[in-house]
Amino acid sequence: NAGVTQTPKFQVLKTGQSMTLQCAQDMNHNSMYWYRQDPGMGLRLIYYSASEGTTDKGEVPNGYNVSRLNKREFSLRLESAAPSQTSVYFCASSEQGQGPNQPQHFGDGTRLSIL
Amino acid sequence: AQSVAQPEDQVNVAEGNPLTVKCTYSVSGNPYLFWYVQYPNRGLQFLLKYITGDNLVKGSYGFEAEFNKSQTSFHLKKPSALVSDSALYFCAVRSYQAGTALIFGKGTTLSVSS
Repeated sequence: NAGVTQTPKFQVLKTGQSMTLQCAQDMNHNSMYWYRQDPGMGLRLIYYSASEGTTDKGEVPNGYNVSRLNKREFSLRLESAAPSQTSVYFCASSEQGQGPNQPQHFGDGTRLSIL
Repeated sequence: AQSVAQPEDQVNVAEGNPLTVKCTYSVSGNPYLFWYVQYPNRGLQFLLKYITGDNLVKGSYGFEAEFNKSQTSFHLKKPSALVSDSALYFCAVRSYQAGTALIFGKGTTLSVSS
């Protein structure tokens, strides 16, 4: 099973450029999440989508937008990249229909560098 | 505000010895706690969770965690460490503000020497 697939795996951008990080899950999960991981800071929530058609801000949403395209796909967009957005980005999904505390399944991340 | 603290950046243990990775939490309601492991250049993998019930929770790869409400702790343990257990470990608590998202600690690097 593929699980959660993120593309691209690596990307280098120049300041001011835009890009979209793609995420797709094949587990029919309702909830999806975007986190960023920075050294010594753990993972921080950027945006989440509790179900298809809904999105909400997390702890660090500034500079990002998201789209829940359908149940499978949840994309993260950087409109004007800044060096502070250099990070590793993780997408995750979980099935909350079986209760609110199901474990999240993570993709392998997108390593983004902004020069 | 909810938070998770992992007081040790790194834990070193010899293979075959018991290991403990510490986690303390702060929540205003019932704590729903999780441990995840991350290997280099990979995403996080779920190890175990505490929702309710027995204070000792068993999980994947021989790991277990002990929930202690009075000390607000959820320490990860394993009786006998393997070199292959070397990885980055994250403790997390379910957020009450952001749906079912998680609030993560900063992570603890476990290094098991042979």
